Amino acid sequence: SQQGEEDPQALSIQEGENATMNCSYKTSINNLQWYRQNSGRGLVHLILIRSNEREKHSGRLRVTLDTSKKSSSLLITASRAADTASYFCARNTGNQFYFGTGTSLTVIP
Amino acid sequence: EAGVAQSPRYKIIEKRQSVAFWCNPISGHATLYWYQQILGQGPKLLIQFQNNGVVDDSQLPKDRFSAERLKGVDSTLKIQPAKLEDSAVYLCASSSNFLTSGRPAKQFFGPGTRLTVL
Repeated sequence: SQQGEEDPQALSIQEGENATMNCSYKTSINNLQWYRQNSGRGLVHLILIRSNEREKHSGRLRVTLDTSKKSSSLLITASRAADTASYFCARNTGNQFYFGTGTSLTVIP
Repeated sequence: EAGVAQSPRYKIIEKRQSVAFWCNPISGHATLYWYQQILGQGPKLLIQFQNNGVVDDSQLPKDRFSAERLKGVDSTLKIQPAKLEDSAVYLCASSSNFLTSGRPAKQFFGPGTRLTVL
């Protein structure tokens, strides 16, 4: 399958803690994007990392990409209750986008 | 800037009936995507348009699903006849034309249409 895996499937942390979620894939990519989906809403783009980049930051988000291991991680620092959502990685290969199964993050106030 | 618009937001139909969803992308976005998201799963790309041409429809069940983007702007996705397993949220997204800009484009998603097939 072109779809990779994200882990963990679910993550529950206390407010203020850091949250790390991982994304693995099987084929080469042009770029990898992370999206957030709040309950009952559409997806919102968070950050994009190109295949020739290793790390990228945006506010409290840090994304790493290891193309040799075909994996990426998303770190959310100093989590807030409002970060509670599902997080998906989307792999871009040519014209195509493949989303993973997502990590459900719960931040407990 | 107006976002991606979709309608209806919710639809309940009986199996074997037909249904159509409508999407209006962000103005100027050449690329339009339709995704199917089954509860508990990630979105699955059904079809991708570049202007009014199909770029990828490899995962579209063509025996029952069809989509068009006649004028290269808004798009409709149709299911005929619907099956129970079609119950899902149908998401529309758009992005700028990364093929010509040379820059990978992020996608902007609409709120989705939640379809329930009984």
